[in-house]
Amino acid sequence: GENVEQHPSTLSVQEGDSAVIKCTYSDSASNYFPWYKQELGKRPQLIIDIRSNVGEKKDQRIAVTLNKTAKHFSLHITETQPEDSAVYFCAASTSGTYKYIFGTGTRLKVLA
Amino acid sequence: DTEVTQTPKHLVMGMTNKKSLKCEQHMGHRAMYWYKQKAKKPPELMFVYSYEKLSINESVPSRFSPECPNSSLLNLHLHALQPEDSALYLCASSQEGSPGNTIYFGEGSWLTVV
Repeated sequence: GENVEQHPSTLSVQEGDSAVIKCTYSDSASNYFPWYKQELGKRPQLIIDIRSNVGEKKDQRIAVTLNKTAKHFSLHITETQPEDSAVYFCAASTSGTYKYIFGTGTRLKVLA
Repeated sequence: DTEVTQTPKHLVMGMTNKKSLKCEQHMGHRAMYWYKQKAKKPPELMFVYSYEKLSINESVPSRFSPECPNSSLLNLHLHALQPEDSALYLCASSQEGSPGNTIYFGEGSWLTVV
């Protein structure tokens, strides 16, 4: 069935360093890829998304890249700060459906 | 405004109780969702309503009963739950349309079944 693999499951970086989280999807019809940040005890919040007609999107310190051929997409966070510490979920979705296929999550710890 | 509000924030219920979770959005979104999230896991889809009609039921046990009274409201009625149903229940909404329906989550209702 459809699935999204997400790596790594945990990631520790020093404050100021960059963090990269990678996801691979199986359904070639997927064309929408959101990323959610979930702080402890809080809701998942959309931080950035990308559609399949775009290869890269950036919003300040956060960027997402998409390789449709390889069915990979990645989240890049530069100049990490302690408040970036959270669980990050990637997801893949297809036009005309309501279903998100979520990755298993990455726990990011930014060490001060 | 991307606000989805849920009540109650916390609920403790016995296995014989009947309770309801409530959700409201005023973004004009026509799709509303219930997700269940266990600790350290991604959200798991339960139900989707589109234009106030049940569109998806992910084979959820009948002890969970959704209701969509109007386009802004979504309820989840709970009856005869099991301790393993304890979880964070997230309501969400999105606009119709493609490609991609960006889903906005509420703060969630923490449910404990004793």
